[in-house]
Amino acid sequence: NAGVTQTPKFRILKIGQSMTLQCAQDMNHNYMYWYRQDPGMGLKLIYYSVGAGITDKGEVPNGYNVSRSTTEDFPLRLELAAPSQTSVYFCASSYSSTGVSYEQYFGPGTRLTVT
Amino acid sequence: RKEVEQDPGPFNVPEGATVAFNCTYSNSASQSFFWYRQDCRKEPKLLMSVYSSGNEDGRFTAQLNRASQYISLLIRDSKLSDSATYLCVVRGVSSNTGKLIFGQGTTLQVKP
Repeated sequence: NAGVTQTPKFRILKIGQSMTLQCAQDMNHNYMYWYRQDPGMGLKLIYYSVGAGITDKGEVPNGYNVSRSTTEDFPLRLELAAPSQTSVYFCASSYSSTGVSYEQYFGPGTRLTVT
Repeated sequence: RKEVEQDPGPFNVPEGATVAFNCTYSNSASQSFFWYRQDCRKEPKLLMSVYSSGNEDGRFTAQLNRASQYISLLIRDSKLSDSATYLCVVRGVSSNTGKLIFGQGTTLQVKP
């Protein structure tokens, strides 16, 4: 199993550009998450999904959009990049059953710089 | 007040030392508690879950005090490879979403 994979690893965007961060997992996990981590700070939840076709906002959703058309993929879209979106983005997944959810597995992250 | 608070450190200790980290959480209804480890420029990985009765995994011991709303991690006989950031993590009250709340992390540097 590859686990959770993310592409790209690094990206530099100009202000106002758009991009999609890709995330995929091959563990048949039903729950998936997007976090951002600013230097010296904890992870903040951007969006999450409890299954294909179901997404919901986390703590810091402004400026981002997500979709979950399959169990495996959970892309994160930045429409109009701003310097405040410079961060490291982590995708994670977990399995949940009957109200109990288990360990979150993280991808290697995407380092995004907006200038 | 932050939902999960940790002393960011850094904690600089010699090899072989015992070091303890504490963490406090604000929501008394929180259900589950974890310690994650994050190496420099890497993704977080689960170190251990924290159970009400306390639990041990080799050199690592985790404790939970629900009355005082704090969680601790004790590392005995520190190794150079223990150098990392340790994240205190609490599962939100709405457990059916699996959402986790992360502290900002405590940095440990073990020196020879």
